[in-house]
Amino acid sequence: GDSVTQMEGPVTLSEEAFLTINCTYTATGYPSLFWYVQYPGEGLQLLLKATKADDKGSNKGFEATYRKETTSFHLEKGSVQVSDSAVYFCALSIQGAQKLVFGQGTRLTINP
Amino acid sequence: DTGVSQNPRHKITKRGQNVTFRCDPISEHNRLYWYRQTLGQGPEFLTYFQNEAQLEKSRLLSDRFSAERPKGSFSTLEIQRTEQGDSAMYLCASSLEVMGQFFGPGTRLTVL
Repeated sequence: GDSVTQMEGPVTLSEEAFLTINCTYTATGYPSLFWYVQYPGEGLQLLLKATKADDKGSNKGFEATYRKETTSFHLEKGSVQVSDSAVYFCALSIQGAQKLVFGQGTRLTINP
Repeated sequence: DTGVSQNPRHKITKRGQNVTFRCDPISEHNRLYWYRQTLGQGPEFLTYFQNEAQLEKSRLLSDRFSAERPKGSFSTLEIQRTEQGDSAMYLCASSLEVMGQFFGPGTRLTVL
């Protein structure tokens, strides 16, 4: 079946460090890919998305590129801030289907 | 606030009792989704409505679970004869299209 695998957390970085959170997927069709973020005490928010191979999604300094050859959608940010501390979820949606399939989430903590 | 709202935010119940949760989607959104999230995991899809029609149900949605969206606006999720394994965060999301689901804050259910 369709699935998403994220790198194990928690991840702890210092402010201004470079961030990569790995995400790989298995899908039977042509998925759209998403990153959602959950800040402490808040609901899930869509961070960025990509709908086809080689698309790059970007928002708030975060980027992720849809790599069909490696079935990956890694999240990157060049310089993280304390306010980026949150849980990050990678997800996919198969064309024609309505549901999102989520990874298990990666907790990120940024220290000042 | 024009986002997705869920009530109650927290519910504590005894095993065997019935509980009902409500979700009010963003007003112009015709699609509504329910997910369940357990600690340390990503959300898992439960069911999906387009307007008032329930179009997809997960195998996770046992016979004790029922969801309705009677007028294509708000939705309710009822769990009958609750079990301790039902303890989780229940998330509602809405969208105009499959590409951008907006999530509510969730209802946290604790079954004693």
